Order: sequence, then structure tokens, then C-alpha cells
Amino acid sequence: QQQVKQSPQSLIVQKGGIPIINCAYENTAFDYFPWYQQFPGKGPALLIAIRPDVSEKKEGRFTISFNKSAKQFSLHIMDSQPGDSATYFCAASAQGGSEKLVFGKGTKLTVNP
Amino acid sequence: DARVTQTPRHKVTEMGQEVTMRCQPILGHNTVFWYRQTMMQGLELLAYFRNRAPLDDSGMPKDRFSAEMPDATLATLKIQPSEPRDSAVYFCASGLRRMGEQYFGPGTRLTVT
Repeated sequence: QQQVKQSPQSLIVQKGGIPIINCAYENTAFDYFPWYQQFPGKGPALLIAIRPDVSEKKEGRFTISFNKSAKQFSLHIMDSQPGDSATYFCAASAQGGSEKLVFGKGTKLTVNP
Repeated sequence: DARVTQTPRHKVTEMGQEVTMRCQPILGHNTVFWYRQTMMQGLELLAYFRNRAPLDDSGMPKDRFSAEMPDATLATLKIQPSEPRDSAVYFCASGLRRMGEQYFGPGTRLTVT
């Protein structure tokens, strides 16, 4: 049973575009929602995370939007750059993130120059 | 610059051989996770420890996989005997329970022929 569904599987945008990656979860006990960025040959790196007491969080060019009632959250990358080309994973965890992360399947983002 | 280290980075072995992967978590982190990443299944949690005690190993094939933390600075994942279907990248991650964030190591790429 996949508890976190991520879409799309792949995404291609032009430099300066705003890619949006969506995730939906089922378990209402989840209360910590991080996004990870992974470059080829590297481990996933924490990008940004949100807890359900806020609907939006921004860090630099990265924004998480969170809709608790719909059990959905999304990542927006403003003014995307070729260096943002990577695979992005959403994840969810219970108990404030202290428990195991359940990952989405990942989105491969390509930002063309 | 604190980071999770993993050894070896690459391992090629023949079916039936024992494989041991090692992880040094970030100093002071009390939670250690083992993940496996494949193209088909994505990132899957195998096991995790808190304060060196195993909390969940439901993701591991019990008959061949074992995970331990001999001390606070070392976590090990063993596969005996290894099978071709074990070929994957194995990641260790560490974190502090109260913070939620998990920090991944660079991974061990295992190929079983």
C-alpha cells in the first residue's frame, strides 16, 4: 500500500519556469512533510519541510503549499535553474518527524537552459 | 561539516556471499535509519534504531538481513547470503528525534552477480 502518492513522475521545464510537484497522503497521523532533493550518485538531501499548523512555507526559491483537508502538499520551485535538475522526493512521517519517513516515488525534474 | 559516512561506497559480490555495510551517523544523533533504493520500489525503509535499540525492522527480509548498532558511532547492515535481487543502493540516515530532519549518507551501491 503506497501511503504517499507523488506526481508527476517526470517534469521538463525551461529555465525560469515554475515546476510544481504534487503529493497526496492517506494516513491522518502524518504530521511532518519534508521534501528531499537527490542528484545522481548522491544521497537524498533535505530541502524544506512543513508541519500541518501552517499552509505555506518558503525557503529561498522553494515553497511548500499544504492543504490539510485535502491531504495534499506540493513543492513549487520559483525561477528554476538548470542546477535544480534532480530527482525530488516528498515524504511524510508521524509524531513530528521522529518516526520513519514514508517516501513518494520521486519526480525527475529537468530544467533546460 | 558533520555528515553521515558509509562504507564501502561500492560493492560487487557473488550470490551467496556475505555483505556488510557500515554507517557512521552524525555525532550526537540518536536515531539511525537504513533505506534501500531501487528503480522499481523507490526508497524503502529497512530498519531504524533509536538510542541503539531497534525500533522497527519490518522492512527487512528477516531470513537474510540483519542490522545492528554495536555502539553509538557505528551501525551495520548485513546480508547473508546475498542474492541478485539485493542489488540496490543502501542508504543510512541519522537524525535527532526532537528535530525530525533525517540526514542521508552517500550510500553503498551493491551489485550481486
